[in-house]
Amino acid sequence: EAQVTQNPRYLITVTGKKLTVTCSQNMNHEYMSWYRQDPGLGLRQIYYSMNVEVTDKGDVPEGYKVSRKEKRNFPLILESPSPNQTSLYFCASSLSPPGETQYFGPGTRLLVL
Amino acid sequence: GENVEQHPSTLSVQEGDSAVIKCTYSDSASNYFPWYKQELGKGPQLIIDIRSNVGEKKDQRIAVTLNKTAKHFSLHITETQPEDSAVYFCAAHLSMGGGADGLTFGKGTHLIIQP
Repeated sequence: EAQVTQNPRYLITVTGKKLTVTCSQNMNHEYMSWYRQDPGLGLRQIYYSMNVEVTDKGDVPEGYKVSRKEKRNFPLILESPSPNQTSLYFCASSLSPPGETQYFGPGTRLLVL
Repeated sequence: GENVEQHPSTLSVQEGDSAVIKCTYSDSASNYFPWYKQELGKGPQLIIDIRSNVGEKKDQRIAVTLNKTAKHFSLHITETQPEDSAVYFCAAHLSMGGGADGLTFGKGTHLIIQP
């Protein structure tokens, strides 16, 4: 089944404790992206990757890092999480830059205390 | 950069009636306009999209219209059913070249279908 998977789905952590949210897609998509969703703000792009070893900042990159060492994986790294990073995070992928259908993962709900 | 405004933020309609959600965008160079549906506890899923070279597209009970001159596009759902209840997001794609492509989302509309 074609899908985007994220882990973990739910995470509670404390300020400053490094964490990684994994994202994997099995559709051989070149383009992958991370979004955060907050009430009243919609979906905002954090980082995106056009292909392996190519990443770039989206609209809200501060406090986040990403890497794209393999085509299928695009982990999101919070080196020192803060409470304002409490949010619902979505990974997405598409065959090409987002002028095509983006497939979203199920989301990761993060709470930073 | 692109800016997408979406209205209304909440829309309640009677089952069987039509629902219309409207979005405006700021950059006339945007050329791709998808609509996503997000059900509770799930990720957004594409339901319909339109490109800037057409004015209207229809898929069964849903349709999207695009007015490039006015820079607005709308989602129309006819004969609404309880399973249409969800949050809907519009988006606009502005290809900036040089590898810097972005998809900008509206803030979402919570559609409630009243039985």
